[in-house]
Amino acid sequence: LAKTTQPISMDSYEGQEVNITCSHNNIATNDYITWYQQFPSQGPRFIIQGYKTKVTNEVASLFIPADRKSSTLSLPRVSLSDTAVYYCLVVDINTNAGKSTFGDGTTLTVKP
Amino acid sequence: GAVVSQHPSRVICKSGTSVKIECRSLDFQATTMFWYRQFPKKSLMLMATSNEGSKATYEQGVEKDKFLINHASLTLSTLTVTSAHPEDSSFYICSARGSNQPQHFGDGTRLSIL
Repeated sequence: LAKTTQPISMDSYEGQEVNITCSHNNIATNDYITWYQQFPSQGPRFIIQGYKTKVTNEVASLFIPADRKSSTLSLPRVSLSDTAVYYCLVVDINTNAGKSTFGDGTTLTVKP
Repeated sequence: GAVVSQHPSRVICKSGTSVKIECRSLDFQATTMFWYRQFPKKSLMLMATSNEGSKATYEQGVEKDKFLINHASLTLSTLTVTSAHPEDSSFYICSARGSNQPQHFGDGTRLSIL
């Protein structure tokens, strides 16, 4: 089971691009990388998922190097409402046995 | 798409009461469902994983007789906290995953045992 390591906290300002990196040195061949956002007293919200290279959707980009031992979530032009905890998850989504264990996450604080 | 509904959102009850929490996938079939517990300012702690029609797999340290999980259909899983005590007070979150899809989470249940 791949373990993930993220910075505990990050600060940014409105309008800046934020990059949060997650290390997952023991990632397995069948594992996918998924990022979630969580606000207080709410369940995590899916942001983006990828297997390799680059994935982009309407809210974020995910960069995964060739060795897949890390990944970087990129949030363009953050706003105050992006203040939240961000988690990366590494899990085999192709089997029913692919359970997912959360790391400690990164608390992002966006300042005016 | 990919909506997971969790009810109730908040429960306050007396010690010794059993509490049932429901988790439903509204627009997809959930082959696997997960139950988590979260303490203030801490990460989510996986309690158990369940596959439809099978017994749940509990994480080490989680009492299966205390936290009963039923995954009776591809859209519904329930967690029953039996004979709840104040130390069971917490934020419980479910998630559901379809085949070859990422997990999607419910909005959590705040359980307070008096």
